[in-house]
Amino acid sequence: QQPVQSPQAVILREGEDAVINCSSSKALYSVHWYRQKHGEAPVFLMILLKGGEQKGHEKISASFNEKKQQSSLYLTASQLSYSGTYFCGTSQGGSEKLVFGKGTKLTVNP
Amino acid sequence: SQTIHQWPATLVQPVGSPLSLECTVEGTSNPNLYWYRQAAGRGLQLLFYSVGIGQISSEVPQNLSASRPQDRQFILSSKKLLLSDSGFYLCAWSVMPHSGNTIYFGEGSWLTVV
Repeated sequence: QQPVQSPQAVILREGEDAVINCSSSKALYSVHWYRQKHGEAPVFLMILLKGGEQKGHEKISASFNEKKQQSSLYLTASQLSYSGTYFCGTSQGGSEKLVFGKGTKLTVNP
Repeated sequence: SQTIHQWPATLVQPVGSPLSLECTVEGTSNPNLYWYRQAAGRGLQLLFYSVGIGQISSEVPQNLSASRPQDRQFILSSKKLLLSDSGFYLCAWSVMPHSGNTIYFGEGSWLTVV
């Protein structure tokens, strides 16, 4: 049930774009995105519910394709502060459980 | 506003010793509560979750246990720690009883078993 994230790691220069993908073998009700800085707790970025909606948060946006059971996180014009590990969490309908992928480590260099 | 606190923040315990991590949520009632563990450089593993007092669901069979003695209190325990129990333990909460609810994490507790 654990979602699969790709790529495992990304290295960018400041101002470049990145896409992080999250896929599941199970039908999904929702996808949640979090960012974790080293040594800190994960911080909530956004939630996407089934319906194929796209959401945005500053220069970070995400899409959810429920038919393909996939979600993508888009980071545009990356900033140094975007560095960290990004996790997607997924839930199936009727469950309070949120299961996370293994994470994607994003490094933004000057 | 809602807040979550967990303690202790850091602890070093010998193998075979007991463990108790505590978490409390303020500013909300009847939250869903969760314990996650993150081994060094690894992902977030769901250990337990609770939808109400005395209701605990275990996700991973191991030497850990969880209890919810009060509505906003969640405790993670072990009678005898193993080296493999080392990691970053995160308590989390959510308020919506259905899928799609957002969970918020506490500050975390670093456990080193020596």
